Amino acid sequence: EIVLTQSPATLSLSPGETATLSCRASQSVAIYLAWYQHKPGQAPRLLIYDASNRATGTPDRFSGSGSGTDFTLTISSLEPEDFAVYYCLQRSNWPSFGGGTKVETK
Amino acid sequence: EVQLMESGGGLVQPGGSLKLSCAASGFNLRDSDMHWVRQASGKGLEWVGRIRGKPDTYATTYAASVRGRFAMSRDDSKNTAYLQLNTLKAEDTAVYYCTRLGDYYYFDYWGQGTLVTVSS
Repeated sequence: EIVLTQSPATLSLSPGETATLSCRASQSVAIYLAWYQHKPGQAPRLLIYDASNRATGTPDRFSGSGSGTDFTLTISSLEPEDFAVYYCLQRSNWPSFGGGTKVETK
Repeated sequence: EVQLMESGGGLVQPGGSLKLSCAASGFNLRDSDMHWVRQASGKGLEWVGRIRGKPDTYATTYAASVRGRFAMSRDDSKNTAYLQLNTLKAEDTAVYYCTRLGDYYYFDYWGQGTLVTVSS
């Protein structure tokens, strides 16, 4: 099983600031990593797939990078609707999720 | 518009059973692998398992935590997938989501989830 570790667990920021979220895999997942946004009571939303490709409808303030074991999701100039929990997901092996990073309002 | 809607959740005693449904609309279920993911309160997302389409003989794969207790099935004529939960434990308490494996081999559409509570 591939374990994904996300950091930090919580990120306290203000609108307009930049969020940098990390996801580290216990073994290489090549580029087979996605990022999801999840808000309470809603379905998770696919933002980024294959490490750096934006899904349809994802604003360009969201960007993904990385390969192998280290990945980053960057949200530049946070909008009010961006405050949520973000999960990484790998599909290199049977799917597994990271523990999540909560981006909250400072 | 692609939509997924889960139903069938509820309160069940430890050792009991429950069957969840996932009704799909806006696409043909037979063309897609369907997965189930759960989230316990205050916890992260956990992959539960998947059922492939007819071309892959409806093959199923389960996470170790539910293998032997949960079973997935589907009725493509009804555009519905199912998750049978047996021998339920308190740690199975969670919101259960069905999700579709999309064109890029990631989960692209999700339902809103259905809550399963295992408690005496």
